[in-house]
Amino acid sequence: DVKVTQSSRYLVKRTGEKVFLECVQDMDHENMFWYRQDPGLGLRLIYFSYDVKMKEKGDIPEGYSVSREKKERFSLILESASTNQTSMYLCASITGGGDTQYFGPGTRLTVL
Amino acid sequence: SQQGEEDPQALSIQEGENATMNCSYKTSINNLQWYRQNSGRGLVHLILIRSNEREKHSGRLRVTLDTSKKSSSLLITASRAADTASYFCATDSNYQLIWGAGTKLIIKP
Repeated sequence: DVKVTQSSRYLVKRTGEKVFLECVQDMDHENMFWYRQDPGLGLRLIYFSYDVKMKEKGDIPEGYSVSREKKERFSLILESASTNQTSMYLCASITGGGDTQYFGPGTRLTVL
Repeated sequence: SQQGEEDPQALSIQEGENATMNCSYKTSINNLQWYRQNSGRGLVHLILIRSNEREKHSGRLRVTLDTSKKSSSLLITASRAADTASYFCATDSNYQLIWGAGTKLIIKP
């Protein structure tokens, strides 16, 4: 059974804090993605990675960075959290040439 | 960037009725996918239809694709309370998915 896990389901942080969101997949997928989901806006791509140590900006990379040191792990970093980064964050992975993205359960981040 | 646009934004029907949701997109695609998201949870892949396919079935789900109109529809037959969720269409472009804002479906008992 395929599995994508995220480090936290719920997270509360203060403005200015550094935040790490971790995603791990056990399917040996090459490509991994970070999205944020806000009401009425659907999913928006923040960053994606198609290989270890590779990263590409998505539609809304500002205020975020990522790290892919190992194939199975893709981390999203908020260097200095702000209230407008309060959102649901979803991680996904897909094998190269595959059709279906597999999603983690999401992390609901609140920045106070 | 938003490519898929779901219609309607919200839909409320009685249990047992059929639910139809539509999705329109702007550019050419390789495939179109539908996902379901239960409240506060991650997304679950439902069905994928390729650009050279016109209709696909999976259980109570029926998906159609009209590439000339750049639109797709998802039909859920004999709806159940457990179908209450948000439904998203996504079109692919170089292994990235471009998502719509979703249709919120409520099944009333």
